[in-house]
Amino acid sequence: AQTVTQSQPEMSVQEAETVTLSCTYDTSESNYYLFWYKQPPSRQMILVIRQEAYKQQNATENRFSVNFQKAAKSFSLKISDSQLGDTAMYFCAFIGAAGNKLTFGGGTRVLVKP
Amino acid sequence: DTAVSQTPKYLVTQMGNDKSIKCEQNLGHDTMYWYKQDSKKFLKIMFSYNNKELIINETVPNRFSPKSPDKAHLNLHINSLELGDSAVYFCASSPWGPSYNEQFFGPGTRLTVL
Repeated sequence: AQTVTQSQPEMSVQEAETVTLSCTYDTSESNYYLFWYKQPPSRQMILVIRQEAYKQQNATENRFSVNFQKAAKSFSLKISDSQLGDTAMYFCAFIGAAGNKLTFGGGTRVLVKP
Repeated sequence: DTAVSQTPKYLVTQMGNDKSIKCEQNLGHDTMYWYKQDSKKFLKIMFSYNNKELIINETVPNRFSPKSPDKAHLNLHINSLELGDSAVYFCASSPWGPSYNEQFFGPGTRLTVL
């Protein structure tokens, strides 16, 4: 079974600064996909970024980028130029290529301070 | 237009009651899911349906019964509610196919069992 671990329960960052959230996972599959979801206080789950395991290039979406280290089974999220609206829970998630079951990490609460 | 909607958004009920949560998606997706988010924010899949057929059934008590009348709807019925059922329940949908497809989440239903 796959497991996803987020070791930082909470992080705070000053507005306009950069914060990096860590995520590690365990799987025996060779092909899979990784996601970061954001859950603001509104509770809505929003996809931030996704990475395909067979792609070596790290995914980027505007101020969000990942550092995907397949051998280390690590998938960190960097938020650059943090904004107040980035305050949320962030969840790392894994899905095998043949499946459709998302396995989530425990989440990291990010607080952006003005 | 709401892509994935759930009703109700809040549900407060007594132990032992039976309740239902409804989910509808207007995205034309074939696959729908139910996730449970506990008080520690941990998210776990419960069920998944593809085109009205059950394809994922995690270790969930028999008191939980999903029903999919058509591929746009996936309802969750819970019998004999217990205190431990208190959680936020999320419905999600995605296209059937490669698992990198984004899962779109509904706004969640906060269930409180007294």
